[in-house]
Amino acid sequence: ELKVEQNPLFLSMQEGKNYTIYCNYSTTSDRLYWYRQDPGKSLESLFVLLSNGAVKQEGRLMASLDTKARLSTLHITAAVHDLSATYFCAVGKTSGSRLTFGEGTQLTVNP
Amino acid sequence: NAGVTQTPKFRVLKTGQSMTLLCAQDMNHEYMYWYRQDPGMGLRLIHYSVGEGTTAKGEVPDGYNVSRLKKQNFLLGLESAAPSQTSVYFCASRTTSPNTDTQYFGPGTRLTVL
Repeated sequence: ELKVEQNPLFLSMQEGKNYTIYCNYSTTSDRLYWYRQDPGKSLESLFVLLSNGAVKQEGRLMASLDTKARLSTLHITAAVHDLSATYFCAVGKTSGSRLTFGEGTQLTVNP
Repeated sequence: NAGVTQTPKFRVLKTGQSMTLLCAQDMNHEYMYWYRQDPGMGLRLIHYSVGEGTTAKGEVPDGYNVSRLKKQNFLLGLESAAPSQTSVYFCASRTTSPNTDTQYFGPGTRLTVL
């Protein structure tokens, strides 16, 4: 059974600081996804990582994937208040397969 | 292009009542999914479909049924609602193209069972 663990589950940080969210998964998988969810809203796709060593960046967020370590990271650079949200990682074994989600990391960026 | 839509957005049921949630997508996606989201538990897959006329069980299928009679629609049914089914339900769809491998989510349905 595929398990996906995120840490931390709660993160409070100051504007301008850097931090990393970690996503570990338990079995071999070749694709990993990051989503953002604002309170009371749906999930928005941030990144799709499809191979070992993949790195993608969008604004202040950068995601990477190490399939050998079964680890993905979401790095936040110089956080701003607008990044406050819950971030989920999800893992799928192959293209089109069902996804298993982590519990989510609730990020609060304080002025 | 509306993407993924869900009906209704909110619903309150009494224990034992039945209801159907409708998910519709206009992106011609083959795969569709139903998830439930509960505090501290992320999203859990209820049922999914890999094409018209097909359905399969996910992690937490008990108490739910689904149907996919048309490619664009995926229905989730609760035959006899229980308080444990109070949750936010999300539908998602996905193409099988490996190069655009993203699930697109609907806005969610907030269900309360009293």
